[in-house]
Amino acid sequence: GAVVSQHPSWVICKSGTSVKIECRSLDFQATTMFWYRQFPKQSLMLMATSNEGSKATYEQGVEKDKFLINHASLTLSTLTVTSAHPEDSSFYICSARSLAGDSYEQYFGPGTRLTVT
Amino acid sequence: GQNIDQPTEMTATEGAIVQINCTYQTSGFNGLFWYQQHAGEAPTFLSYNVLDGLEEKGRFSSFLSRSKGYSYLLLKELQMKDSASYLCAVLDSNYQLIWGAGTKLIIKP
Repeated sequence: GAVVSQHPSWVICKSGTSVKIECRSLDFQATTMFWYRQFPKQSLMLMATSNEGSKATYEQGVEKDKFLINHASLTLSTLTVTSAHPEDSSFYICSARSLAGDSYEQYFGPGTRLTVT
Repeated sequence: GQNIDQPTEMTATEGAIVQINCTYQTSGFNGLFWYQQHAGEAPTFLSYNVLDGLEEKGRFSSFLSRSKGYSYLLLKELQMKDSASYLCAVLDSNYQLIWGAGTKLIIKP
């Protein structure tokens, strides 16, 4: 159980275009989903936390108008990178926290590798 | 501020034992996680400690001392596939995960 999927697994886009990444909890309901970014050989960087039905909370330094997050249901959150630039090329990973029980474990999706040319 | 320290890189030999340490200073404590991350992949859960002591799970064990703000991950009978980064993360008083920078473990034959 506790499977999180991400789509697409990799994407190449041109500078100036927008890219949408989906994160789904497949077999559980997620109260909270997290979006991370990871550059090569660096640790995870939390970008934002989203709760179903409310606005995402962005970390300091993350532009909310550039990284649009929608958490429309208890099983789906999307991250849209708007007007992408080469410096946005990175590994984007989502995670989800279960609605049930008192576990605060985060279940990670497999990640999306974004390359902006 | 909140801070989690772990060594940047460690090297060990196949079949041996290695201990990866993690010290933390956070605003509150609601548990400590260890995750494994292979290059180019997402992290996978290894262990969770909320009470002091040792939690054993197969070849992997995790220890916690809340009074010392200290944890370690012990890997026994190392295999080449254990080459990965190991991430220590603490759940703070707001139930947010604070991540360490990770320890890259290199296993040599």
